[in-house]
Amino acid sequence: SQQGEEDPQALSIQEGENATMNCSYKTSINNLQWYRQNSGRGLVHLILIRSNEREKHSGRLRVTLDTSKKSSSLLITASRAADTASYFCATEGNYGQNFVFGPGTRLSVLP
Amino acid sequence: DTEVTQTPKHLVMGMTNKKSLKCEQHMGHRAMYWYKQKAKKPPELMFVYSYEKLSINESVPSRFSPECPNSSLLNLHLHALQPEDSALYLCASSPHRADMRYEQYFGPGTRLTVT
Repeated sequence: SQQGEEDPQALSIQEGENATMNCSYKTSINNLQWYRQNSGRGLVHLILIRSNEREKHSGRLRVTLDTSKKSSSLLITASRAADTASYFCATEGNYGQNFVFGPGTRLSVLP
Repeated sequence: DTEVTQTPKHLVMGMTNKKSLKCEQHMGHRAMYWYKQKAKKPPELMFVYSYEKLSINESVPSRFSPECPNSSLLNLHLHALQPEDSALYLCASSPHRADMRYEQYFGPGTRLTVT
C-alpha cells in the first residue's frame, strides 16, 4: 500500500551542488517525515513536517510541503560525498496506516 | 543512549531452521517496530508493538512470530522460512504508539539469507 512516491529515483551530482528530491502522495496526511539510509544500514530520521507547516530547515536540509499538490521536497544544499545515500519520505497510508515509505531516491555525490 | 541495537548482524539459515532476531533499546520508548526491506526497495512495516502489546500486524505470514518480552526488547522468531524471505530486517522504536507525529529510531538491521 504505497503512498509516497519519490522522484527522481536516482540522482548523481558533483560535490558542492544542491540536490532536490520530491515526494508525492495520494491521500490527505497530517505528518510527513524524511529519512536517510546509507547502503545496507538502518534509516536515520532527518525532518518531520506537519500538514500546517510549509517549510522546515535543519542545517543544510530544507523540506517543503505543499498539501494542495500533495507533494514534499527535500533540498540538500552544498552537498558532500558523505550525503551519498538513499532518501525516503514516509507518510500515513491510504487506509490510515502509519509509516508507509516511498520508493526512495538514491543520491550519489561525486567528489 | 539513543541507540537501537540488533543481533545478529548477519544470519544464514536453512528452510527448516528456527532462529530469532533480537532488538533492544534503552531510550524508554514504548513503541517498537519490525520492518522488512528487500534490495533497492523501501522498508515495509511488518509488526508494531505499543506498550508491549501487538497493535499492528500487516498480514505477515505466520512463519514470522514477534515477541515483546518487555519495553526494551523485541524479538522476531523465524521458522520454516522461504528463500524469498531473504532481506534486511530492521527494528525501530519511537517514544509512543505508532504515530507519525514522532520520529522513529532505527537499528542497523539483520541481513538474513534463507538457503
